[in-house]
Amino acid sequence: NAGVTQTPKFQVLKTGQSMTLQCAQDMNHEYMSWYRQDPGMGLRLIHYSVGAGITDQGEVPNGYNVSRSTTEDFPLRLLSAAPSQTSVYFCASSPDPPLGYTFGSGTRLTVV
Amino acid sequence: GQNIDQPTEMTATEGAIVQINCTYQTSGFNGLFWYQQHAGEAPTFLSYNVLDGLEEKGRFSSFLSRSKGYSYLLLKELQMKDSASYLCAVRGGKAAGNKLTFGGGTRVLVKP
Repeated sequence: NAGVTQTPKFQVLKTGQSMTLQCAQDMNHEYMSWYRQDPGMGLRLIHYSVGAGITDQGEVPNGYNVSRSTTEDFPLRLLSAAPSQTSVYFCASSPDPPLGYTFGSGTRLTVV
Repeated sequence: GQNIDQPTEMTATEGAIVQINCTYQTSGFNGLFWYQQHAGEAPTFLSYNVLDGLEEKGRFSSFLSRSKGYSYLLLKELQMKDSASYLCAVRGGKAAGNKLTFGGGTRVLVKP
């Protein structure tokens, strides 16, 4: 039982490059979310999903896309990386009703 | 929208008690969470309150007053390993996708 698995753990991108951050959970959770964490800013919600095939925007969605084709996977795509997207990204999942969210170990992304 | 406020930093002595306050103003409320986050690590779940009152779990207790939009996390018998950030988060209702919105976090430093 791996919980929430995020890959990669570290990534350096050049401005304009695209990439996908992977998130997978093996707990059959309906709810999945992506957050970014910047120093002094707490966790901000990028996108979330309430089940396979259903996604919606959080408070900072610009520059990111998501899809949820299966219950297990919730990848986050950066379309054209910008230095402002340098951050630590966390994926989280929760059952329905969401009594407790489980977080992945994070992806530290640097855009140069 | 959601507005969640908590102090930025607190310092306390090993063996003492510290109380971290959290006030919130939200368009929907379906529970309040506290998470602990050590530097460089993912947040881990501490407590969940959905009804008014005190929830106790070992050295940690969490209180909620929905009418006042107020919660606190009480850490007793502080240990050095309790030095971490503590995140207050509010969950919106099902109509809002049960989104979890975080405050900026309170960094607690425990001194010998």
